[in-house]
Amino acid sequence: GQNIDQPTEMTATEGAIVQINCTYQTSGFNGLFWYQQHAGEAPTFLSYNVLDGLEEKGRFSSFLSRSKGYSYLLLKELQMKDSASYLCAVMDSNYQLIWGAGTKLIIKP
Amino acid sequence: ETGVTQTPRHLVMGMTNKKSLKCEQHLGHNAMYWYKQSAKKPLELMFVYSLEERVENNSVPSRFSPECPNSSHLFLHLHTLQPEDSALYLCASSQVRDSGANVLTFGAGSRLTVL
Repeated sequence: GQNIDQPTEMTATEGAIVQINCTYQTSGFNGLFWYQQHAGEAPTFLSYNVLDGLEEKGRFSSFLSRSKGYSYLLLKELQMKDSASYLCAVMDSNYQLIWGAGTKLIIKP
Repeated sequence: ETGVTQTPRHLVMGMTNKKSLKCEQHLGHNAMYWYKQSAKKPLELMFVYSLEERVENNSVPSRFSPECPNSSHLFLHLHTLQPEDSALYLCASSQVRDSGANVLTFGAGSRLTVL
């Protein structure tokens, strides 16, 4: 079957750096997405990786290794507003999105 | 505001009620989706409409009935639901292209409680 694994919950300190990992086993690969979802709000698109390597976008970066079935989302200079759930999703060979259960990130002062 | 609006935001219904969830997108997208989000579980795709035709129905019980009257509006009609149907129902839209990322834009969801 198809599977996306990511930690259920992580805690980090304001101003620090945190890395949220995502591993996947899917039928084919057509890209990996990260979304951010604040409590009670819509998930919003953060990043898309289809080739190996690091994509940087301000304080957020996303890394992909297709051979390892692995991605991470790196958040730098953490702010309290970064407290949210982070959803990893992979598009398989049929262009279906397979979702992880999300990682709840708690930022402490 | 994401450009995808869902109403109502909260809904409590009994198992014998009939209600509908509404979604409207102002982005000019050509595809719309219904997802179910339960606590600590992955998003579950329920229905997909592309160019107003339903292209996906992931074995969703018939007590959920979608309707897409045009490319901007999507409904989810609810009838004789079960308590396990209590969840957050998310609507999303996207512009499907031949290549490139199919990025979804989500609404804030309708929180459904079935008593």
